[in-house]
Amino acid sequence: AQKVTQAQTEISVVEKEDVTLDCVYETRDTTYYLFWYKQPPSGELVFLIRRNSFDEQNEISGRYSWNFQKSTSSFNFTITASQVVDSAVYFCALSEENTDKLIFGTGTRLQVFP
Amino acid sequence: NAGVTQTPKFRVLKTGQSMTLLCAQDMNHEYMYWYRQDPGMGLRLIHYSVGEGTTAKGEVPDGYNVSRLKKQNFLLGLESAAPSQTSVYFCASSRPQTLYSNQPQHFGDGTRLSIL
Repeated sequence: AQKVTQAQTEISVVEKEDVTLDCVYETRDTTYYLFWYKQPPSGELVFLIRRNSFDEQNEISGRYSWNFQKSTSSFNFTITASQVVDSAVYFCALSEENTDKLIFGTGTRLQVFP
Repeated sequence: NAGVTQTPKFRVLKTGQSMTLLCAQDMNHEYMYWYRQDPGMGLRLIHYSVGEGTTAKGEVPDGYNVSRLKKQNFLLGLESAAPSQTSVYFCASSRPQTLYSNQPQHFGDGTRLSIL
């Protein structure tokens, strides 16, 4: 069965600290896709990144970076020099091949204090 | 730039009442989905559709029905609402994933539904 585990329920940091959000997944598919979404207090879901199972290159986008390691079935997300505006719930998700159904983790609530 | 539009945004129902949530997308996406979000449980898939006229069950389909009569619309129905269906409902749409194209699911803003 496919599963996504975000073991960190809540993380609190002070502004400018670096923070890493963990995501571990389980799947039997050879081809799959991994996602991160952000849900700010306003409630909408904001797409951050997608990775396919054959692309293990790390990605950096501004203060955000992602580390995909198939050997450990992990897709971790790091925010460098966190800001108050980063406060949100972050979801990691796994997509099945063919139907593209998303299996979500339970989310990590990040609170960044000034 | 409407994207995915959900109607209504809020609704309060009494136990046993019925209602339909409407999802409309203007991106010509083949796939559409309904999820529910409950505290501490992330989002769970209720039903989905891979094309006009087709629907399939997701992880938590009981108590819900769906229809996809037009490609751009995906309706979620509650025939007899129960308090356990109090939740935030999200609709999403996408094109099929491929290795070489970035096709994330686009989400609506959600419908907050309370069943008393």
